[in-house]
Amino acid sequence: EVQLLESGGGLVQPGGSLRLSCAVSGFGVNTFSMAWVRQAPGKGLEWVSAIGGNVPKTYYAASVKGRFSISRDNSKNTLYLQLDSLRVEDTAFYYCAKDRLTSMTPSWLFDVWGRGTLVTVSS
Amino acid sequence: DIQMTQSPSSLSASVGDRVTITCRASQGIDNFLAWFQQQPGKAPKSLIFAASRLQSDVPSRFTGSGSGTDFTLTINSLQPEDFATYYCQQYYNYPPTFGQGTRLEI
Repeated sequence: EVQLLESGGGLVQPGGSLRLSCAVSGFGVNTFSMAWVRQAPGKGLEWVSAIGGNVPKTYYAASVKGRFSISRDNSKNTLYLQLDSLRVEDTAFYYCAKDRLTSMTPSWLFDVWGRGTLVTVSS
Repeated sequence: DIQMTQSPSSLSASVGDRVTITCRASQGIDNFLAWFQQQPGKAPKSLIFAASRLQSDVPSRFTGSGSGTDFTLTINSLQPEDFATYYCQQYYNYPPTFGQGTRLEI
């Protein structure tokens, strides 16, 4: 069964850092492109970052570029999102999502989502 | 970036009703349009992709249509579990963008 399980969220002060993890089961984390999507409390969905399948080309939303970094560890079958220089407006549930197609380039179509992990940035 | 606009923002209905949600793209996206359902406190669930193709586990009372800039999601014979928030998303190009959501409530 395909499953995604996020962890690593928590309360952090503005300017701080966190590393989110997404444990993948049911497929290889490098088989598909993978993405992070966030949702501020009571708000809509915002795509944050993605990494290509097999080829580790990375993509970032303008709002996080230069502050967030996506990566994966194939041996642990885990996707990561490093969050640095956090701002209050980064407060959100962060979901990892699997791309529907097995291609090196993301199709931007997400078919499986994790349950999310909450990041709260506050002083 | 392509802007996705959904209407209405919220919708009241009853079990057994038929409802329609619309999604408009700021530029043509062919049929690269997906719909997601999100129950309170849960992750989004993929319902439809390519504007009208149902994911394998989605009931047939859900139908999607449209192409270009205008799309619709119709739910026939509403069931209690259908009361949720629905989002459209374009995957025509990078970056992928979502509509603001439509809350379907009793």
